[in-house]
Amino acid sequence: EVQLVESGGGLVQPGGSLRLSCAASGFTFSSYWMSWVRQAPGKGLEWVANIKQDGSEKYYVDSVKGRFTISRDNAKNSLYLQMNSLRAEDTAVYYCARGGTTVTMYRYWGQGTLVTVSS
Amino acid sequence: EIVLTQSPGTLSLSPGERATLSCRASQSVSSSYLAWYQQKPGQAPRLLIYGASSRATGIPDRFSGSGSGTDFTLTISRLEPEDFAVYYCQQYGSSPVAFGQGTKVEIK
Repeated sequence: EVQLVESGGGLVQPGGSLRLSCAASGFTFSSYWMSWVRQAPGKGLEWVANIKQDGSEKYYVDSVKGRFTISRDNAKNSLYLQMNSLRAEDTAVYYCARGGTTVTMYRYWGQGTLVTVSS
Repeated sequence: EIVLTQSPGTLSLSPGERATLSCRASQSVSSSYLAWYQQKPGQAPRLLIYGASSRATGIPDRFSGSGSGTDFTLTISRLEPEDFAVYYCQQYGSSPVAFGQGTKVEIK
């Protein structure tokens, strides 16, 4: 059974940092694109970042470029999102999602972790 | 980058009725790489349709997708009580990936 379990969310002040983690199991982690998708309270889905199987390609939504870094550790079956210089508008539930082997539609999602940026 | 516009914003229907949801892209979606998701309150999204018209594993056949190029449609042939939710389209044919803003299907 495919499982994606996020952790690391919480309350942080504007300008602060957080590192989200996603523990994957039930599939060959190193064979799939992985992504972070977020959802602000009461709003729609917003793709945040993608990373290729070997970490050689990474893509970001414009609003987080230079502040967020996506990474993965295939030996630990884990995906990460380092978030720096956080803003109030980054407040959202952050989902870890498994892409495909060549494309990024999301068959599997984690349960999400809430990040709240507030003073 | 491709922008997806979903319509209507809200669809008010009764159980048993047919629901037709639209997703329009600002540019042609490569290889019909268009997906549909269902999301219920407090839950993660669930993949319904990929490749514009292929049902994901375990999705009932009352859900169907169609379209190509810039115009796509999700049809729910007969609404069941569990189908009242928010639906999102997503294009994954070009970078960056993009979601539509969602259509809420509510009970009339």
